[in-house]
Amino acid sequence: AQKVTQAQTEISVVEKEDVTLDCVYETRDTTYYLFWYKQPPSGELVFLIRRNSFDEQNEISGRYSWNFQKSTSSFNFTITASQVVDSAVYFCALSGLFNFGNEKLTFGTGTRLTIIP
Amino acid sequence: SAVISQKPSRDICQRGTSLTIQCQVDSQVTMMFWYRQQPGQSLTLIATANQGSEATYESGFVIDKFPISRPNLTFSTLTVSNMSPEDSSIYLCSVGRYEQFFGPGTRLTVL
Repeated sequence: AQKVTQAQTEISVVEKEDVTLDCVYETRDTTYYLFWYKQPPSGELVFLIRRNSFDEQNEISGRYSWNFQKSTSSFNFTITASQVVDSAVYFCALSGLFNFGNEKLTFGTGTRLTIIP
Repeated sequence: SAVISQKPSRDICQRGTSLTIQCQVDSQVTMMFWYRQQPGQSLTLIATANQGSEATYESGFVIDKFPISRPNLTFSTLTVSNMSPEDSSIYLCSVGRYEQFFGPGTRLTVL
């Protein structure tokens, strides 16, 4: 069975601070995919990133960066120089190999991030 | 990425009634997914809908309660039947294989 744990329920930081959201996963699959989604107050789920299990390179996109470490089964998300618009609930998710039936996403419980102006 | 729309965007329903939620995609997709997000909770997959075959339901979800139709490659419906207040949730459809994209969701309140 797959499981995603986001231990941080809520985080508040002052604007311009850096913040890291933790994600720990469990899976028996040797090939899998990890995702981060953002859910702003409007409720829509916004895709941020997908990472393959065989690609452990860290990724940076503007103020966002992701650290994938297979050894610790973690896929952490860092926002640098946070802004008020970053306030949202962030979900980490996991799926199996993309052959029909495994594409379904298992979500963590989410981390509510509040950026204080 | 696909553009996904859902109707209605929100609704308030009475206990015991049913609501059908529509999901429309701007391109043909093989698989569509229906998720439920209860208030303050994470997302849980209800079922996977493939065109031309019966939907596949996850543990805890049954066809009688959540019948799904998938008449073509751009459209699907989810019906929430015989509703109770516990069905108050956001219902989201998603599409995609390598990167799942989500519709805006349907906020359902059952009184």
